[in-house]
Amino acid sequence: DSGVTQTPKHLITATGQRVTLRCSPRSGDLSVYWYQQSLDQGLQFLIQYYNGEERAKGNILERFSAQQFPDLHSELNLSSLELGDSALYFCASSDPGHNTGELFFGEGSRLTVL
Amino acid sequence: GQQVMQIPQYQHVQEGEDFTTYCNSSTTLSNIQWYKQRPGGHPVFLIQLVKSGEVKKQKRLTFQFGEAKKNSSLHITATQTTDVGTYFCAAPFLFNAGNNRKLIWGLGTSLAVNP
Repeated sequence: DSGVTQTPKHLITATGQRVTLRCSPRSGDLSVYWYQQSLDQGLQFLIQYYNGEERAKGNILERFSAQQFPDLHSELNLSSLELGDSALYFCASSDPGHNTGELFFGEGSRLTVL
Repeated sequence: GQQVMQIPQYQHVQEGEDFTTYCNSSTTLSNIQWYKQRPGGHPVFLIQLVKSGEVKKQKRLTFQFGEAKKNSSLHITATQTTDVGTYFCAAPFLFNAGNNRKLIWGLGTSLAVNP
């Protein structure tokens, strides 16, 4: 158990819809990262938040957005969903004392868009 | 752009054979991390290498960081079925002037082990 909690574990929805994925980082971790992993693909970095503020952006589509709340949990919002958005979405957190140190991953949210 | 090249993409071995995956960068790395993702699971941190020429061992796993800090390898001796999974390397790169770094990931090497 990494200490990172993601909900929901599975989500099935239709094209054009909007979903929200939720992540609670490990206790004490200030950084939250979101990754997308499609079938047979590597980990695509989407976005990083640090203590409530956006720190780094990766290959995040404009239809996607994220935020980190004062209690440090984070949400990833995916809108106008397309079939190609079907993937495993991981959240990870890291120790505030390390700039890109070890990442602790949650178990992921598997999104299926039909 | 910033890249970490990882090879091979796939490796299929007989149980008991050795396995090696390699990561290469065109620029000097401050450190490199290795993660393992079991099928259906999430990436789990294995190790971080920081020093030039560093070699670290974890049981049957040997991790190396090149002298120039531009490449790294993970070697598994006498593979077992429990070694099945995808092995990723990742390294931090500066992305702005504020000393902020983000991890750049290799595409991973998927290891299959025949019992």
